[in-house]
Amino acid sequence: DADVTQTPRNRITKTGKRIMLECSQTKGHDRMYWYRQDPGLGLRLIYYSFDVKDINKGEISDGYSVSRQAQAKFSLSLESAIPNQTALYFCATSDPADRDGAFFGQGTRLTVV
Amino acid sequence: QKEVEQNSGPLSVPEGAIASLNCTYSDRGSQSFFWYRQYSGKSPELIMSIYSNGDKEDGRFTAQLNKASQYVSLLIRDSQPSDSATYLCAVNGRDSSYKLIFGSGTRLLVRP
Repeated sequence: DADVTQTPRNRITKTGKRIMLECSQTKGHDRMYWYRQDPGLGLRLIYYSFDVKDINKGEISDGYSVSRQAQAKFSLSLESAIPNQTALYFCATSDPADRDGAFFGQGTRLTVV
Repeated sequence: QKEVEQNSGPLSVPEGAIASLNCTYSDRGSQSFFWYRQYSGKSPELIMSIYSNGDKEDGRFTAQLNKASQYVSLLIRDSQPSDSATYLCAVNGRDSSYKLIFGSGTRLLVRP
């Protein structure tokens, strides 16, 4: 089993629908991140959480919300999906000092039509 | 100025050559530096980490860090077609609240 698991792997949804992307990890890391990747733009940070009670906005948080249900679970929601949220979404985890870098889930390819 | 900058490429090198990838960063308080490899449609995979000035070698890969000049580089010796991918530089530091910030990546093409 993967250390960082994202569900679903692929999703097509309609404009205006609410959708949740889920991430769970077995690495025991406190830090969890949600990134979005668009062609040519690298990984852009949406939200990050350094522990269950600490949630912070990243550079592109508008239109998104998150929930840290437990140390191992970090969910990303699109309250009302729009087409320009079509992208590849990655969840990642890291240890408190980031000494080993971040470990990524397999990604969720989201298409909003 | 972006926090972490990379040339988008593509960088094209012949098989067997040395590929040199560069990254500059703006946060002088940065402490940890990482190189990730990402194949199209796949998740990034950590290939090198470096924390102090100088060189760090791991197999065909060498990471180089110069904190005074605020750059980190990755050398890939004896490049193989399987090295063709996008290489992402990531940095964390005080000014970014110690969260990981990624560059936009450099696409590497290794010609057989």
